[in-house]
Amino acid sequence: EPEVTQTPSHQVTQMGQEVILRCVPISNHLYFYWYRQILGQKVEFLVSFYNNEISEKSEIFDDQFSVERPDGSNFTLKIRSTKLEDSAMYFCASRGLWNSPLHFGNGTRLTVT
Amino acid sequence: LAKTTQPISMDSYEGQEVNITCSHNNIATNDYITWYQQFPSQGPRFIIQGYKTKVTNEVASLFIPADRKSSTLSLPRVSLSDTAVYYCLVTNAGKSTFGDGTTLTVKP
Repeated sequence: EPEVTQTPSHQVTQMGQEVILRCVPISNHLYFYWYRQILGQKVEFLVSFYNNEISEKSEIFDDQFSVERPDGSNFTLKIRSTKLEDSAMYFCASRGLWNSPLHFGNGTRLTVT
Repeated sequence: LAKTTQPISMDSYEGQEVNITCSHNNIATNDYITWYQQFPSQGPRFIIQGYKTKVTNEVASLFIPADRKSSTLSLPRVSLSDTAVYYCLVTNAGKSTFGDGTTLTVKP
């Protein structure tokens, strides 16, 4: 069964550094998402992406965050200057048709020190 | 998107059927109901999705009454490996908003 893959599985960075989290969505999917989950808390929506542009974003997704689909397979989340409170699991998800369910990757655990 | 309410936690024993009910009073006409399972340190995993009446797949059934203001996820004969957090979401094409979920603990 096709799956969403995320790399790296764990990223440790120092406060103020830039990080790029990478995702390879399922190949024929058209809608892409990033979510995050702070330890012990619920899964929070960050951003959705369709047709090479952001379609919706949450208040968490401020100017420090950006997303890109640099080629036909990768989907990236960049945090320009990390803060301690950015420490969380970051999940990429994709979907095919308009109302089909989301398929999630297994996440990248980001630790900001 | 409609807000969902589900029990915070449930306990069960191996081999039992588990029913988790979710209320979504403000569901809109175009909304679907989708359930996910999440294990620690893993991404949510799709279980089942429905619009109305009953949907069944190889792992679960989803019951949705005519007014669609609630839904019930039914897991037949649970095992220890079904211990996880279960999320009920109301989805409409765009973002899906996760609630607090139901932590199901299956005991031997």
